[in-house]
Amino acid sequence: GQQLNQSPQSMFIQEGEDVSMNCTSSSIFNTWLWYKQDPGEGPVLLIALYKAGELTSNGRLTAQFGITRKDSFLNISASIPSDVGIYFCAAPDKYSTLTFGKGTMLLVSP
Amino acid sequence: GAGVSQSPSNKVTEKGKDVELRCDPISGHTALYWYRQSLGQGLEFLIYFQGNSAPDKSGLPSDRFSAERTGGSVSTLTIQRTQQEDSAVYLCASSSRPGLAGGHEQYFGPGTRLTVT
Repeated sequence: GQQLNQSPQSMFIQEGEDVSMNCTSSSIFNTWLWYKQDPGEGPVLLIALYKAGELTSNGRLTAQFGITRKDSFLNISASIPSDVGIYFCAAPDKYSTLTFGKGTMLLVSP
Repeated sequence: GAGVSQSPSNKVTEKGKDVELRCDPISGHTALYWYRQSLGQGLEFLIYFQGNSAPDKSGLPSDRFSAERTGGSVSTLTIQRTQQEDSAVYLCASSSRPGLAGGHEQYFGPGTRLTVT
């Protein structure tokens, strides 16, 4: 099946720093999704991307759909403690089932 | 409006027992998905229901796993003769318009944490 390679695996940063993470695949996708999962909760959709080259923002979050359609990037600006969690990229596998990356765990120290 | 709900939130069972996990999708969502998340891992697709079509069971790890969706709404995931390796968080998600442009957005419930002792 298709695999999404997500990096870094974890990040430990200071409050106020900017964060970048990415997701790559050997397959081409028409959609990229970014989710955040807080401890004990289900993933929450942050940003959806539907067009190669698209750059979409949601508050302090910005995601980009790579021009090759094989990758996507998520940036968080001016991080705050509540940004702590696991960030997952996802892309549709067949019809609508999603393949997920293994996640990037973000820790923010005040 | 109400999101996806799942019950129970936690379930501890003895090895060999059967368990049933329940999912209530967002009202009006035609697609429902089950995923499994093991500790420190990403989400593993299990099964997908879309309307009245036959479910996509390609992700079920063994024949001990089955799922039903009654009336196009509530779904139950059943694990028979549970094993310790079944311990995980089981997540349910629903979607309003799968397969269409912009229709891949899935909304997740809080999950059921299953522990098999």
